[in-house]
Amino acid sequence: EAGVTQSPTHLIKTRGQQATLRCSPISGHTSVYWYQQALGLGLQFLLWYDEGEERNRGNFPPRFSGRQFPNYSSELNVNALELEDSALYLCASRMDPGANQPQHFGDGTRLSIL
Amino acid sequence: TQLLEQSPQFLSIQEGENLTVYCNSSSVFSSLQWYRQEPGEGPVLLVTVVTGGEVKKLKRLTFQFGDARKDSSLHITAAQPGDTGLYLCACPYGGATNKLIFGTGTLLAVQP
Repeated sequence: EAGVTQSPTHLIKTRGQQATLRCSPISGHTSVYWYQQALGLGLQFLLWYDEGEERNRGNFPPRFSGRQFPNYSSELNVNALELEDSALYLCASRMDPGANQPQHFGDGTRLSIL
Repeated sequence: TQLLEQSPQFLSIQEGENLTVYCNSSSVFSSLQWYRQEPGEGPVLLVTVVTGGEVKKLKRLTFQFGDARKDSSLHITAAQPGDTGLYLCACPYGGATNKLIFGTGTLLAVQP
């Protein structure tokens, strides 16, 4: 069984640009979570998508957005990039959001803002 | 507000030594998870503890959930270089969201 896959592995942008990160969940998983792992701030919850809808978001500005496609894959978009957006962005998927199912993580996209 | 505090933050030990990592909170949680994250990779789930006082073993790793379900510990016996990594505790939070709140992390380096 293939795990959660994320692309690209690395992404280099400059301030003010826009970034798009992609995530393919494990087959059969309908929920996708996005987390930011920034140096000194730890892993923080960003967004949750389930069945194509944004269900919840963390304490991040609106320039962080995304969507989930009919095949349950997901995109994270970050507009007007700022230096502090430099971080590892992790995607996780789970089978059933209502049950006590674990989240499975991808290896992340390393976003660097110059 | 960081709900989960881990200690120590950093730990560098020699191969063969034992160590314990702690995860503490002022809140009660329904369950708690431990992850290990290696450089360049995402966190990998090691164990989930659910019942107060529960002890789970995974080879040389022993996990314990506090009786009051507000704290947990991870003990590694005879550490090996392959145990090197960032250890994270996490708990589901937010009702139906089930987002994970992560601890501050413990960076472990096991020297050969």
